[in-house]
Amino acid sequence: DAKTTQPPSMDCAEGRAANLPCNHSTISGNEYVYWYRQIHSQGPQYIIHGLKNNETNEMASLIITEDRKSSTLILPHATLRDTAVYYCIVRVRTNAGKSTFGDGTTLTVKP
Amino acid sequence: DGGITQSPKYLFRKEGQNVTLSCEQNLNHDAMYWYRQDPGQGLRLIYYSQIVNDFQKGDIAEGYSVSREKKESFPLTVTSAQKNPTAFYLCASSIRTGGQETQYFGPGTRLLVL
Repeated sequence: DAKTTQPPSMDCAEGRAANLPCNHSTISGNEYVYWYRQIHSQGPQYIIHGLKNNETNEMASLIITEDRKSSTLILPHATLRDTAVYYCIVRVRTNAGKSTFGDGTTLTVKP
Repeated sequence: DGGITQSPKYLFRKEGQNVTLSCEQNLNHDAMYWYRQDPGQGLRLIYYSQIVNDFQKGDIAEGYSVSREKKESFPLTVTSAQKNPTAFYLCASSIRTGGQETQYFGPGTRLLVL
């Protein structure tokens, strides 16, 4: 599975949009981009996933570049409870066992 | 409530002892997983099971053992052969629907070696 690169940390003001980038330049044609987040000392929580089209759900939006080599997770109105580590993962959609959780991005939302 | 439960939340082990971490799910998921997380790092796969009575080693299986006798249960034993067992252990399960497989995680067990 392709590996991902994320910045180690980011800050965001409460109420503003948080834009978390992820590079996955070696992604294969059948690999999806998944995002999870982990609040301190809890299990990771699924956020969203996509293949090539932009996706939106009640938690976030996912923007994938046309060449699929990078993506951005957008939290439109960040709250203090969004402070967490965010993981970007690429894998084929039917093999969750091949998920590689790197070090992720620590997002700190500040009042 | 439906979900994944892990017990206990905190577990202490003396050096040289085996210890078993519990993971139960009532989501009727086929696949289950165990991950290890060290401070400030991501998750590393220990073992996974895609069906009852079958399991495969992950990236860091040495010093660990598992069983999958029931669909809803996937206990992890940390043996005395695991030289650095202090970590946060996460269990997950997944199901394939509509050609998609999404993982759901339990709350974790923190293991401390005394």
